[in-house]
Amino acid sequence: GAVVSQHPSRVICKSGTSVKIECRSLDFQATTMFWYRQFPKQSLMLMATSNEGSKATYEQGVEKDKFLINHASLTLSTLTVTSAHPEDSSFYICSARDGGNSPLHFGNGTRLTVT
Amino acid sequence: GQNIDQPTEMTATEGAIVQINCTYQTSGFNGLFWYQQHAGEAPTFLSYNVLDGLEEKGRFSSFLSRSKGYSYLLLKELQMKDSASYLCAVRDWNTGFQKLVFGTGTRLLVSP
Repeated sequence: GAVVSQHPSRVICKSGTSVKIECRSLDFQATTMFWYRQFPKQSLMLMATSNEGSKATYEQGVEKDKFLINHASLTLSTLTVTSAHPEDSSFYICSARDGGNSPLHFGNGTRLTVT
Repeated sequence: GQNIDQPTEMTATEGAIVQINCTYQTSGFNGLFWYQQHAGEAPTFLSYNVLDGLEEKGRFSSFLSRSKGYSYLLLKELQMKDSASYLCAVRDWNTGFQKLVFGTGTRLLVSP
């Protein structure tokens, strides 16, 4: 079945630094990937839609300049949290689908802790 | 946009049956998904409904009524490992990329 790989699984960084999270579709090509954020005991909130070869589409309230998304190939999307602050500490999860009507497959998530 | 509601928490006993409800409001409905998520892990796909009726998959079944904006996930013969959060998600034609919007999630606790 479709596999989505996300790296790193955990990262701790200092306030003010930037962190890059990678999301790869391992056995299929994904023109579109989705980035979600999940705070403790809450559901997944869609942050942005990543489109191969074009600009990402951000949800209302998500800062484009803070959460940089690059979808440079059909198998890789990256999310960079710039100038991270403690309130950015969260579980970030990427997802993709390998066909128009197929379900979303999720990466294993990245737990970001900003100190 | 979408408005998706689920109960926050439910408890049930091992071996029992539990039904988790989900109501939604969306302008361009194109499918409803149920996912299971254990604490600290990514969601895993359980079921998908796009037409009215019941979809059965082993111990799990999901029902959809588009006219009522309602779905439920039915879990039979509950096991301890079924303790997890269950997420209802709706796909909408109007969003262009067919993105999935998730409900608040229901935390299910299965006790012995």
